[in-house]
Amino acid sequence: QVHLVESGGGVVQPGKSLRLSCVASGFTFHTYGMHWVRQAPGKGLEWVAVIWFDGSKKYYGDSVKGRFSISRDNAQNTMYLQMNNLRADDTARYYCARDYGGYGDLDYWGQGTLVNVFS
Amino acid sequence: IVMTQSPHTLPVTPGEPASISCRSSQSLRDSNGYNFLDWYLQRPGQSPQLLIYLGSTRASGVPDRFSGSGSGTDFTLKISRVEADDFGVYYCMQGLQTPYTFGQGTKLDLK
Repeated sequence: QVHLVESGGGVVQPGKSLRLSCVASGFTFHTYGMHWVRQAPGKGLEWVAVIWFDGSKKYYGDSVKGRFSISRDNAQNTMYLQMNNLRADDTARYYCARDYGGYGDLDYWGQGTLVNVFS
Repeated sequence: IVMTQSPHTLPVTPGEPASISCRSSQSLRDSNGYNFLDWYLQRPGQSPQLLIYLGSTRASGVPDRFSGSGSGTDFTLKISRVEADDFGVYYCMQGLQTPYTFGQGTKLDLK
């Protein structure tokens, strides 16, 4: 049974940093690409970043490029999102999701972790 | 790639059909004929759920009342007979090129 559990969210001041984690279980983590997707309160879904199954490629959304960094530890079945220089508009629920076919088919999602950038 | 969904809200009566449109600012069809377009449903208070991938392939466990069609820049999600479990917000998303992008969402509402 596939499970994705995010953690690391919280309240942080603008300009500060936060690191989110996504722990995976129930599947061979090291064979799947993984994504972060976020959703601001009352808003739609926004794609944030993707990391290839082996960590060899990483891509980012325009609004987070240069500030956020995605990584993974396949030995620990864990993906990370390092978020630096946070802004108020980064406030959102952050979901991790598994890429089923390698082309953005996000077949399993976690419950998300809330990030509130608040001064 | 900009994704545009219509309508923004769709009031429906259970048992009736529903249709949602998604248009992309450039073709999502690759040289092999695959369309990199997914559909997701987010029920209230829940995480999104994959319904359709590659434009028309139902994800595992998705009822056959859901169908996806279209190619290139114009796509449609159809529900043959809406059930109570189908209410929520539907999103299309393109996976052809990064940054991947979602449509703004279509809320399926009880009429």
